[in-house]
Amino acid sequence: SQTIHQWPATLVQPVGSPLSLECTVEGTSNPNLYWYRQAAGRGLQLLFYSVGIGQISSEVPQNLSASRPQDRQFILSSKKLLLSDSGFYLCAWSPMQDTIYFGEGSWLTVV
Amino acid sequence: GQQLNQSPQSMFIQEGEDVSMNCTSSSIFNTWLWYKQDPGEGPVLLIALYKAGELTSNGRLTAQFGITRKDSFLNISASIPSDVGIYFCAGSNAGNNRKLIWGLGTSLAVNP
Repeated sequence: SQTIHQWPATLVQPVGSPLSLECTVEGTSNPNLYWYRQAAGRGLQLLFYSVGIGQISSEVPQNLSASRPQDRQFILSSKKLLLSDSGFYLCAWSPMQDTIYFGEGSWLTVV
Repeated sequence: GQQLNQSPQSMFIQEGEDVSMNCTSSSIFNTWLWYKQDPGEGPVLLIALYKAGELTSNGRLTAQFGITRKDSFLNISASIPSDVGIYFCAGSNAGNNRKLIWGLGTSLAVNP
């Protein structure tokens, strides 16, 4: 069966510091991969999606970037965090159907 | 970005009551999905609907894909305390990118 795992689960970072959130999917190949952000426990905002290695589409202009160095690995990064980057970040994957499946989420607090 | 109209925004009910929530869109969708999110966790898929008029059940949950393809509802029968959480609807116009359009969620509280 397929599983998705993201880490770290929580982190507290100072303003201006870099960020790296990682996500891996097991048990499938060539999945579509997504990064979402959720603020204040509501509203899922799509940040990035990827249909293949090295193929990244950005949905909103922001301080973040994403990379897909391997088929089942998706990384969310920032060179310099802003206070407004705080939130709950969710990695997700989808097979050929339209359904997507989420990871456990990562809480980011920028202080 | 585009969002679905999901209502109600929140509900506070007694254990044992039935619950109904719905989503509407100005666009036609090929897929409707319903998710539940527990606090501090990622959303979990409850029901997926792929055909207009489709009615699907998952235990005490029932969801329908509206015949106009612009709406969907989710019903929960005989609510229990573990039903507490935020319920999200999502729709897709299909295509290569599999991007979903999301509702803002319905927050459900159940009084034991």
